[in-house]
Amino acid sequence: QKEVEQDPGPLSVPEGAIVSLNCTYSNSAFQYFMWYRQYSRKGPELLMYTYSSGNKEDGRFTAQVDKSSKYISLFIRDSQPSDSATYLCAMSAHQGGKLIFGQGTELSVKP
Amino acid sequence: GAVVSQHPSWVICKSGTSVKIECRSLDFQATTMFWYRQFPKQSLMLMATSNEGSKATYEQGVEKDKFLINHASLTLSTLTVTSAHPEDSSFYICSATGGGGRGTGELFFGEGSRLTVL
Repeated sequence: QKEVEQDPGPLSVPEGAIVSLNCTYSNSAFQYFMWYRQYSRKGPELLMYTYSSGNKEDGRFTAQVDKSSKYISLFIRDSQPSDSATYLCAMSAHQGGKLIFGQGTELSVKP
Repeated sequence: GAVVSQHPSWVICKSGTSVKIECRSLDFQATTMFWYRQFPKQSLMLMATSNEGSKATYEQGVEKDKFLINHASLTLSTLTVTSAHPEDSSFYICSATGGGGRGTGELFFGEGSRLTVL
């Protein structure tokens, strides 16, 4: 069993839709949870960062962490074609420590 | 935000040759750098962790004699793929942290280097 599981998609939605991306994990030591966006042939860029359980909102993006269920989510509201990318969840047990990535979900937002 | 630069962004080489990839932190001192490998439509797999001035720590299954990592200064780490073979063709990405960023020990990623071995 992988430490972090993420549905690879691909996921295709119309412009304006609400997108839900999810990851599950098995290691209860994970405390820091991140979502990265990666455009084709580019390095990942950090979108959201959350410590422990709870919600965090930044513009159209909302990250949720449920440590009791070992489940994290990223919601994108009013999705735009420019949101088309691969979204990777990542987590670590220690601040600044080794990151374990999910497989990434390929998202396509159609105009 | 902080910038991490990788060079070259892509390289094509013949089988048996060695290739060096550089990772530089441009506006902060990177106490720790990480090297990842990513195959198409797959996740980033951590290869090794390097701390400035000390030997890199390799992940299980990564050949340290094949993937040489040097972190000689607080702004530069290099990955050398020795005697490259076609199966080494991949996207190599570095990340760096200085323990600061947004107060999270945030990792900053380079743009990646695509290696194709013929």
